[in-house]
Amino acid sequence: GNSVTQMEGPVTLSEEAFLTINCTYTATGYPSLFWYVQYPGEGLQLLLKATKADDKGSNKGFEATYRKETTSFHLEKGSVQVSDSAVYFCALRRNRDDKIIFGKGTRLHILP
Amino acid sequence: DAGVTQSPTHLIKTRGQQVTLRCSPKSGHDTVSWYQQALGQGPQFIFQYYEEEERQRGNFPDRFSGHQFPNYSSELNVNALLLGDSALYLCASSQTTGGKGTDTQYFGPGTRLTVL
Repeated sequence: GNSVTQMEGPVTLSEEAFLTINCTYTATGYPSLFWYVQYPGEGLQLLLKATKADDKGSNKGFEATYRKETTSFHLEKGSVQVSDSAVYFCALRRNRDDKIIFGKGTRLHILP
Repeated sequence: DAGVTQSPTHLIKTRGQQVTLRCSPKSGHDTVSWYQQALGQGPQFIFQYYEEEERQRGNFPDRFSGHQFPNYSSELNVNALLLGDSALYLCASSQTTGGKGTDTQYFGPGTRLTVL
């Protein structure tokens, strides 16, 4: 079946450190891939997306590249801030099916 | 421009009771999806409504039902509540294009349901 696997948290980093959150997927066909972020007490916000192989999604300094050969969509940021502390969800949506399939989420703590 | 709104924010029920959660989509959106997010887990798809009909459904029992109104707002109903139904319930709205396939889904803040 279709699924998303992401690294378990929590991930704790110091401010200005480099961030990588790993995400791999299993899916038939060519899904669209997403990263959502959930700040404390809030709903999900779309952070970035990529709809085909080799696409790079980017937003607010975060980037992720759709790698079909490795079925991965790792999230990266060069210099994290305290305000980036949140839970990050990797997700996919099959092109023929509109439901979004989420990973379990990775909690990120950034220390000042 | 108001985003997706949900009510109530929090709700406490006891086992066996019934609950109704409400969602108003973002302006211009005609499709509503519901997700259940258990503590420490990613959201799980419950169902999606378009043109006042259930278009897709995830692996949830019939105790979970929904409705969409002509103004595109939606309700999620859960009957015979179980302890395991305690979760954050998220509503997402989107615009259906060409009769099928939706654009980006925008999520509301959720309703936190606690079943005692």
